[in-house]
Amino acid sequence: AAGVIQSPRHLIKEKRETATLKCYPIPRHDTVYWYQQGPGQDPQFLISFYEKMQSDKGSIPDRFSAQQFSDYHSELNMSSLELGDSALYFCASSPRQGLEGTQYFGPGTRLTVL
Amino acid sequence: AQKVTQAQTEISVVEKEDVTLDCVYETRDTTYYLFWYKQPPSGELVFLIRRNSFDEQNEISGRYSWNFQKSTSSFNFTITASQVVDSAVYFCALRWAGGGNKLTFGTGTQLKVEL
Repeated sequence: AAGVIQSPRHLIKEKRETATLKCYPIPRHDTVYWYQQGPGQDPQFLISFYEKMQSDKGSIPDRFSAQQFSDYHSELNMSSLELGDSALYFCASSPRQGLEGTQYFGPGTRLTVL
Repeated sequence: AQKVTQAQTEISVVEKEDVTLDCVYETRDTTYYLFWYKQPPSGELVFLIRRNSFDEQNEISGRYSWNFQKSTSSFNFTITASQVVDSAVYFCALRWAGGGNKLTFGTGTQLKVEL
């Protein structure tokens, strides 16, 4: 079965640089979520989109922005990177936005900021 | 406040032993969903099971079983006859009606299965 695709899988950036992470949801899934997982921590919700509109917002820094495109893929843009942004970034998708929609996670993008 | 507590930080067992991972949750909502995810050393998050607050029926799936008890706000996960491939971090997560789209995760339990 098709899974969530994330690219790149690994990314190394310098402080103050920008990064763009991409997410391709499971076909026919219309809701996308972004999470950040720091080393040894649990995933923290950043933001979600339903039908190309932002549907919920969590602890996402103002330096980060995201959007969902007409083909339902999503991009997380991160600017003025800081050392503390080093983390595993997950994208998840679900077939519906409601409470019962199970979130299926991609393999993650490991971002290292030097 | 909505919260998920996984008190066991790390558990080590010998292969073929049974192991139970504990999860206690807090929410004021009467409508909510509970989830278990597995994160193997490779890093991906793998969905294992979902339960809604109106379905307390326990479930067995192969070597996995789940015990949901609203009276104690617990959603425990048992692996019978553990195998080395079960070694991973296991996260319990909560999603509630008033909480928007986010999953709130517990801090995870690192399970190590040794030969």
